[in-house]
Amino acid sequence: SQQGEEDPQALSIQEGENATMNCSYKTSINNLQWYRQNSGRGLVHLILIRSNEREKHSGRLRVTLDTSKKSSSLLITASRAADTASYFCATLRGDSSYKLIFGSGTRLLVRP
Amino acid sequence: DARVTQTPRHKVTEMGQEVTMRCQPILGHNTVFWYRQTMMQGLELLAYFRNRAPLDDSGMPKDRFSAEMPDATLATLKIQPSEPRDSAVYFCASGSPGLAGRTDTQYFGPGTRLTVL
Repeated sequence: SQQGEEDPQALSIQEGENATMNCSYKTSINNLQWYRQNSGRGLVHLILIRSNEREKHSGRLRVTLDTSKKSSSLLITASRAADTASYFCATLRGDSSYKLIFGSGTRLLVRP
Repeated sequence: DARVTQTPRHKVTEMGQEVTMRCQPILGHNTVFWYRQTMMQGLELLAYFRNRAPLDDSGMPKDRFSAEMPDATLATLKIQPSEPRDSAVYFCASGSPGLAGRTDTQYFGPGTRLTVL
């Protein structure tokens, strides 16, 4: 089964609102990453948080990591229609130097 | 602006035909990944190369799939013979290991959408 599972599967919000997506995983990790995929496109790396970090910011993105609960959240503040995409968490397991395990993704729709 | 390129972007073929997908990693990256994305299975790692050597192809059906890196600028994924269940989007990604030897960030190409009839 997949290492990362995202919640919710789909999210629809109004432009300007905040969007929160959650990810749970099963084993120890080196780091956890979030990627965005626009329809028909490849994945784009958004942000990486290491296992010894608890929170990280990048622009309108805020990621938290709780290793005791094996969970992470991605917050997008002041959402824009251009944020409409699928968002995937991916974990690099502690026993691997390369193998990312992707979650099933959250489909975000930001309504203008 | 450096990016991973993949060709073809779309491929429709008939069952039993050979399919070859190509990828040009970002110049200077020495790790290459092949993924398959389907609605049912999500993103699955098929193969991993480092310095052109295949280090992990455990995710690849061995009987019909093969992956190679003839040189540092070209990675190929072949399916022979193709089957309808191979219909998916195939992504190539490249990266560069850091000091700890980990490839933390992967840069994805636009994908090849394969339809096998």
